[in-house]
Amino acid sequence: EAGVAQSPRYKIIEKRQSVAFWCNPISGHATLYWYQQILGQGPKLLIQFQNNGVVDDSQLPKDRFSAERLKGVDSTLKIQPAKLEDSAVYLCASSSLQGSNQPQHFGDGTRLSIL
Amino acid sequence: GESVGLHLPTLSVQEGDNSIINCAYSNSASDYFIWYKQESGKGPQFIIDIRSNMDKRQGQRVTVLLNKTVKHLSLQIAATQPGDSAVYFCAEKPANTGNQFYFGTGTSLTVIP
Repeated sequence: EAGVAQSPRYKIIEKRQSVAFWCNPISGHATLYWYQQILGQGPKLLIQFQNNGVVDDSQLPKDRFSAERLKGVDSTLKIQPAKLEDSAVYLCASSSLQGSNQPQHFGDGTRLSIL
Repeated sequence: GESVGLHLPTLSVQEGDNSIINCAYSNSASDYFIWYKQESGKGPQFIIDIRSNMDKRQGQRVTVLLNKTVKHLSLQIAATQPGDSAVYFCAEKPANTGNQFYFGTGTSLTVIP
C-alpha cells in the first residue's frame, strides 16, 4: 500500500510571498488532515476534511491560510502572504473513516523556511 | 485546546536495555491513544494504539500501558536498538471529536551503542 505523498519536500521563500503544498492521501482514505509542526513541538491540526468537505478548520489562520480538497482525493494547502512564524514542517495525514478510532497515517511533510 | 504533555523531553538508554517513555494527558474523556515515532526528516510513524477500555496492549517489542485514574500513558520498548532512536509522541483523541488527535511535545530517545 502506497503511503501519503507530499510535495515539495522543501521550500524556501521570502516573507510576504505565497506558497502551496500538495498532498495525496492513501487510496480510499476519506479523511485528510493538515498539520503544522514547529521545530521541537508536536504536530498541531490546521484543518480536517471528510471527502471534499471541511470537518474542522477552527485552528486555521484563515486570513492567510487556505486549503481545498475539491474532488475528495488530493489536497492543497496555501499560505498567502507568508510570515516568518510560518516556518515549520507541514504534514499531511489520512485515515480511513471519520467517527471511529482510526490511526492517522502521515506523509513526510514539506519543510518551509521563510527568509 | 487539549494539553498532552510528556514528563521527560530527552531520554538516553544503552543498547539492549528497556526504555520507558511517559505521557500525561489532560482530558479524562479521551477514548483512544496512539504512540508515534518520528525520525529526523520524516513524518510520524504509527507504533501502537490503545483504547480507553484497555489497560495494556502489546506489540512487537513495545507495550503501551494506560492508567485512566491518573491520566497517564507509557510506552515500553524492550531490548532497545539504535534504530529506535527518534522522537516519540503520544496523541490523545477526545471522544466525539471526529478522529481528531492532540499531540504532546515529544520525547527524544537516544540509544547508546
